[in-house]
Amino acid sequence: GDSVTQMEGPVTLSEEAFLTINCTYTATGYPSLFWYVQYPGEGLQLLLKATKADDKGSNKGFEATYRKETTSFHLEKGSVQVSDSAVYFCALSDPGGTSYGKLTFGQGTILTVHP
Amino acid sequence: DGGITQSPKYLFRKEGQNVTLSCEQNLNHDAMYWYRQDPGQGLRLIYYSQIVNDFQKGDIAEGYSVSREKKESFPLTVTSAQKNPTAFYLCASSIGQGRTDTQYFGPGTRLTVL
Repeated sequence: GDSVTQMEGPVTLSEEAFLTINCTYTATGYPSLFWYVQYPGEGLQLLLKATKADDKGSNKGFEATYRKETTSFHLEKGSVQVSDSAVYFCALSDPGGTSYGKLTFGQGTILTVHP
Repeated sequence: DGGITQSPKYLFRKEGQNVTLSCEQNLNHDAMYWYRQDPGQGLRLIYYSQIVNDFQKGDIAEGYSVSREKKESFPLTVTSAQKNPTAFYLCASSIGQGRTDTQYFGPGTRLTVL
């Protein structure tokens, strides 16, 4: 079945540091890939997405590239801010699976950025 | 503003009681979903609905029920048969169920069983 594996957290960085959160996946079909962000006590917000191989999703300084050869979708940001502190989820949507339209999520990575 | 609303934000239930969580969207989306989130875990799909009057079980449907009588609304009932209902519940919607369609999430309801 489909699965998503994220790097284990929590991740703690100083402001302006470089961020990488690793995400790899397995899928039965040709998935779309997503990064969502969750701030404390809130729902999930879409951060970025990519729908085909070699696509780069980007938003608010965050980037991720869909790498089919390595089945990866790592999230990066060149200079993090305190306001980026949140939980980040990698997810995939795979119509080749049994639940059409279902998102399969990684376990989430907690990011804390200190001033 | 278009979006998804969930109510209440916090809900407390005694063991043995059924409770219903509300989810409303004004995005004109056809597809709606319910997910459950437990601490330190990703989200797991409870039920989803592609169109009005139709819904399917997700990965963890036991102890839950839903209805989809209107396009805008997709309430979730947590029944007394759900063994461990304390969790954060998130409703989502998408314009369709194509693989590129983005799911948009509501703010969530935190359910605590006393």
